[in-house]
Amino acid sequence: KNEVEQSPQNLTAQEGEFITINCSYSVGISALHWLQQHPGGGIVSLFMLSSGKKKHGRLIATINIQEKHSSLHITASHPRDSAVYICAVSETGNQFYFGTGTSLTVIP
Amino acid sequence: EPEVTQTPSHQVTQMGQEVILRCVPISNHLYFYWYRQILGQKVEFLVSFYNNEISEKSEIFDDQFSVERPDGSNFTLKIRSTKLEDSAMYFCASMMGGLTDTQYFGPGTRLTVL
Repeated sequence: KNEVEQSPQNLTAQEGEFITINCSYSVGISALHWLQQHPGGGIVSLFMLSSGKKKHGRLIATINIQEKHSSLHITASHPRDSAVYICAVSETGNQFYFGTGTSLTVIP
Repeated sequence: EPEVTQTPSHQVTQMGQEVILRCVPISNHLYFYWYRQILGQKVEFLVSFYNNEISEKSEIFDDQFSVERPDGSNFTLKIRSTKLEDSAMYFCASMMGGLTDTQYFGPGTRLTVL
């Protein structure tokens, strides 16, 4: 079983701030997933990573396979970024282990 | 844009009853998943499904659970004899293929077992 830890658990930021959310896991993986869960409960996939770095708009995700660590960065944060951000990992690509999530609130 | 749909959005049932949760994945996707989230807790993997068979299942997915793709479009999760602790939001997801492809999640079905 892969233990997934996220930090921080809760984060409050001012609009425009640069935000970093961290994810570490205990067992080597083949894929890592960053998800966004909206206040209404819906889940959206942000990134799937197996190595390196991906960028989409103001979001950047990096993974260090040797360190068993990934980060999600949000540049120029906006109140609409307020959500729970979840990291999930998989060794096989079939079964995913989820972190408890980081609750982000961006204040105008 | 194509989306994953789930029905019903909310299901209330009595303990011991059978429920079937339905999902319509995106049409050209090949990999299908069920997850659950108990209120206030983290998302948990239940099962993955590919090529008409289960690829992997978690410890949660015991004999009371089953999945089926009865036709080319639907993907169902059946809980045979519901327990109070089955109350949760159940999410279906689908993916076209590839290890780092995007999973598309449905809006979820909230199951309440009384």
